[in-house]
Amino acid sequence: TQLLEQSPQFLSIQEGENLTVYCNSSSVFSSLQWYRQEPGEGPVLLVTVVTGGEVKKLKRLTFQFGDARKDSSLHITAAQPGDTGLYLCAGARGQGGKLIFGQGTELSVKP
Amino acid sequence: NAGVMQNPRHLVRRRGQEARLRCSPMKGHSHVYWYRQLPEEGLKFMVYLQKENIIDESGMPKERFSAEFPKEGPSILRIQQVVRGDSAAYFCASSKTRDTLGTGELFFGEGSRLTVL
Repeated sequence: TQLLEQSPQFLSIQEGENLTVYCNSSSVFSSLQWYRQEPGEGPVLLVTVVTGGEVKKLKRLTFQFGDARKDSSLHITAAQPGDTGLYLCAGARGQGGKLIFGQGTELSVKP
Repeated sequence: NAGVMQNPRHLVRRRGQEARLRCSPMKGHSHVYWYRQLPEEGLKFMVYLQKENIIDESGMPKERFSAEFPKEGPSILRIQQVVRGDSAAYFCASSKTRDTLGTGELFFGEGSRLTVL
């Protein structure tokens, strides 16, 4: 049973397009993090959202935490080939680094 | 994540052999976490350690797997009598405090990829 469901699992788009990745759960999390992982590398933290309804922006990336703290979304505007990678959401039920990860969204941005 | 050092990056073992994976956390970090990533799956938590203590091992298989974080030296994840199903990428992460959501972040290493023949 996957506690955190990410969709889509695979996404291939052209440079300049917009996209949204979703991370859904029936469970409440105290916070949610988004990571980006490149082949052969470890995940790198992009953002942490803590408050229900919170929106954070990181250049062309916009992250939102659902009001009920059960879901989150990542929106990328005008995607670029450098955005290619595996995007992972991870939920925490308290403090500490014990995270529950989604299965990931493999994004490919073609020039 | 460059500060968390894992070795070896790649390890090949035959069924029944032992695998030892090492993790040196970032300087000043005393909290270490091990995660396993199987193909087309997300990372799964295995164990959380502080110096000389196992804090949470709820994600560790009951048999063949053990972890330690001694007072001196790296954290070690040990897999005895490996089987093909142990083939995966094993990631170590470290944090400065238990509160990774407040002042700290969770920094991941580049992983150790175990292949069991």
